[in-house]
Order: sequence, then C-alpha cells, then structure tokens
Amino acid sequence: TQLLEQSPQFLSIQEGENLTVYCNSSSVFSSLQWYRQEPGEGPVLLVTVVTGGEVKKLKRLTFQFGDARKDSSLHITAAQPGDTGLYLCAGDGGSNYKLTFGKGTLLTVNP
Amino acid sequence: GAVVSQHPSWVICKSGTSVKIECRSLDFQATTMFWYRQFPKQSLMLMATSNEGSKATYEQGVEKDKFLINHASLTLSTLTVTSAHPEDSSFYICSARGTNPRYEQYFGPGTRLTVT
Repeated sequence: TQLLEQSPQFLSIQEGENLTVYCNSSSVFSSLQWYRQEPGEGPVLLVTVVTGGEVKKLKRLTFQFGDARKDSSLHITAAQPGDTGLYLCAGDGGSNYKLTFGKGTLLTVNP
Repeated sequence: GAVVSQHPSWVICKSGTSVKIECRSLDFQATTMFWYRQFPKQSLMLMATSNEGSKATYEQGVEKDKFLINHASLTLSTLTVTSAHPEDSSFYICSARGTNPRYEQYFGPGTRLTVT
C-alpha cells in the first residue's frame, strides 16, 4: 500500500509570510498532483509533476518533485488571504491511475 | 476544458430512502471515474473506481450493495446510496480521468448528503 505523508496538517500564518508544505513517501510515483480545495467545493488541480527533479511555478506557488519521485513540496511566497484552503497532494502509482492522497494541509492566511 | 459536474449539489433525505448522485464529464470522455467520500477538514477517501461498461471496483471496507455505482457511458457515472442512514451523511465527490494526459483527475464540485 502506498502512503503519502503530508505535513504540516495545519498552518496559520500572517499575510506576506512564506510557507512550505511537504509530501513524502517511501514509494515511487509516476506523477504527483497538487490540489487546492475550498470548503464545500471539489478539489481544483493546481499542477502535475511527472519528471524527477522537476520544478513548476504558478505565480507565487512553486512545486518541486523529488529526484527519486518519492516526495514533493509546495512553496508559497508572500501568502495572501486568498491562498486560504485545504492543500492536497496526490500520487499516481501508475498501475490503475488511482490516486493516493496525503492527509492535507489546512492553510489559513490571516490579513 | 476538463470540467466535471455533479448533481445534486446537496440533498437531504430520510433514513431508509435511496439517493442517486450523478457525475458527468462535460467536455471530455472519461475513461475512468472515481468516487470519494470526505469528512470535514479531512482528506479524500476513495470509495470505488468505475470504468465505462464494467463493474466498479470497491475499496476495502466499502459495501458495494450499499453504494451502487453505474458507469453507463464515457461521460456519466452515478452513485446510489441505498437505504441511507445518518452515518452515511457526508460530502461525496467524483472525479474523472481522461486519456490525455491519462494520469490527471478532475474533480466535481461535490454533493453534500444529509440523512435525517
């Protein structure tokens, strides 16, 4: 069974601060996806990383896939209240496209 | 592109009745659809995987006779909660996987089920 350890589970910061969310596993993933979910809504895909060592940027968000494709990180620069939400990482093991989800990081950015 | 809809967005039903939730991929053909359950402030729990025209594959601990899944076409999957009980109250979310790229899943907006 593939597991994704996501940390931290809860994060409350002030507007303008930087933060990093981590997803770690002992398993190798074909791809890893990051989602953001707001209360009462479905997760929205932010990015997919596929290649080991890959770095992708989405405005103030930077996503990195580990060289061995076992871990990933999400870094947010100068967080804003609009970044508040539940961030989920999900790994695709490749065999049947089922996603293994991390437990999520509930981020609150205070103005 | 890659839009997935769910209907209804919320439903209240009485204990013992059945509820059907629809999941549609609006602008792509979904090779596979997935059904998840989510409790407040928690991550998603996969319930079952369905491929068009074949029986759904349920995760361990999910009762297939209680949660009936039908994947009638490449754009529609339904989840029927039979003989619903208050403990079935939850947020149900579907996702759909296309073919390009094959590994990305797109989620519906979710359905809030409350069983009274």
